[in-house]
Amino acid sequence: AQSVTQLGSHVSVSEGALVLLRCNYSSSVPPYLFWYVQYPNQGLQLLLKYTSAATLVKGINDFEAEFKKSETSFHLTKPSAHMSDAAEYFCAVSVPGYSSASKIIFGSGTRLSIRP
Amino acid sequence: DTEVTQTPKHLVMGMTNKKSLKCEQHMGHRAMYWYKQKAKKPPELMFVYSYEKLSINESVPSRFSPECPNSSLLNLHLHALQPEDSALYLCASSQVISDTWVNEQFFGPGTRLTVL
Repeated sequence: AQSVTQLGSHVSVSEGALVLLRCNYSSSVPPYLFWYVQYPNQGLQLLLKYTSAATLVKGINDFEAEFKKSETSFHLTKPSAHMSDAAEYFCAVSVPGYSSASKIIFGSGTRLSIRP
Repeated sequence: DTEVTQTPKHLVMGMTNKKSLKCEQHMGHRAMYWYKQKAKKPPELMFVYSYEKLSINESVPSRFSPECPNSSLLNLHLHALQPEDSALYLCASSQVISDTWVNEQFFGPGTRLTVL
């Protein structure tokens, strides 16, 4: 069965430092992968998505993620953290042919804190 | 218009009340979703509508009753809820690529529900 695992429920970085949020997926077929961000008391906003067109995906707010099949990973990075990046981040997977339903499977989430 | 709207933003109800949550999108998406999200957890899928027909019910108690009156609207009718049903209820929509594959979902801001 397809799934995603987010390593680290909480990540804290200094303002201006590199942000690295880890996500590993499990799928027997090429997946669609997504990163969503959720700011406090808000809905989820799509940061970026991988749909097999290119392994390095650029998203909004200078975030990017690289699909590595050999490592079954889709880690999210940002070169320089900003205070406004503090939020909850969810990795998610959609797999074709998954039963007869169309679902996105979410990881457990990683809370990103930014230190001044 | 790339927005999913949800009303109300906040709802407080007693266990004997009947209330409804509303969701609307005008992106031409033919799949719409209800999720329940507890604090510090990922969204949990409740229902999926595809082409205005219920395609997934994730074993949700009958006190939650979804309705999709047309391709733009999705309702969630609530009756005889329990305090543990208090949560953020998120609506989302997406294109339908196929019966078994979903592209990214667009989320509304959610309705914060409190059951007394």
